[in-house]
Amino acid sequence: EIVLTQSPVTLSLSPGERATLSCRASQSVASYLAWYQQKPGQAPRLLIYDTSNRATGIPARFSGSGSETDFTLTISSLEPEDFAVYYCQQRRQWPLTFGGGTKVEIK
Amino acid sequence: EVQLLESGGGLVQPGGSLRLSCAASGFSFSTYDMNWVRQAPGEGLVWVSSISGSGDNTWYADSVKGRFTISRDNSKNTLYLQMNSLRAEDTAVYYCAKKLIYNWFDPWGQGTLVTVSS
Repeated sequence: EIVLTQSPVTLSLSPGERATLSCRASQSVASYLAWYQQKPGQAPRLLIYDTSNRATGIPARFSGSGSETDFTLTISSLEPEDFAVYYCQQRRQWPLTFGGGTKVEIK
Repeated sequence: EVQLLESGGGLVQPGGSLRLSCAASGFSFSTYDMNWVRQAPGEGLVWVSSISGSGDNTWYADSVKGRFTISRDNSKNTLYLQMNSLRAEDTAVYYCAKKLIYNWFDPWGQGTLVTVSS
């Protein structure tokens, strides 16, 4: 099973700041990595798939990069609605696995 | 607009059974693989099971294999998860999610809570 480790666990930032979230895989997932956003009491929402492709309706301030085992989600300038928990997920092999999440909170 | 509406959650005793449903609308249901993902209270996301559009192929997490069965009725645009031999550790919100192109989940339903407790 591919284990995804996200860091940091919590990121405390102010609106307007840049957020950089990391996801590290225990083995190569090639480019087969996605990012999801989850707000309290809501279902997750797909942000980025296949490392760097934004899902429909996702603002350009969200971007993804990386390859093999190291991936980054960047939010260029945090908006109030971006404070949430973010998960990465791989589809390189079964079972499909998620990272433990990074909470982006208001500083 | 794609809509996914889960139902069937509730309180069940350890060892009991429950069947979850996910009613889909707004897309050609039989064309897409579908998935179940769960989230224990205060915890992260865990993939549970997937099924192909035809229903011919299924995949399960080891933690539920042999106890849970995923199925679908394409004539009713509905996805199911039959859960047997339930354990306390199965307590979670269960989400259904449509597959996007490959094994990405988009969108998700609002979830249904399953609580396994005596």
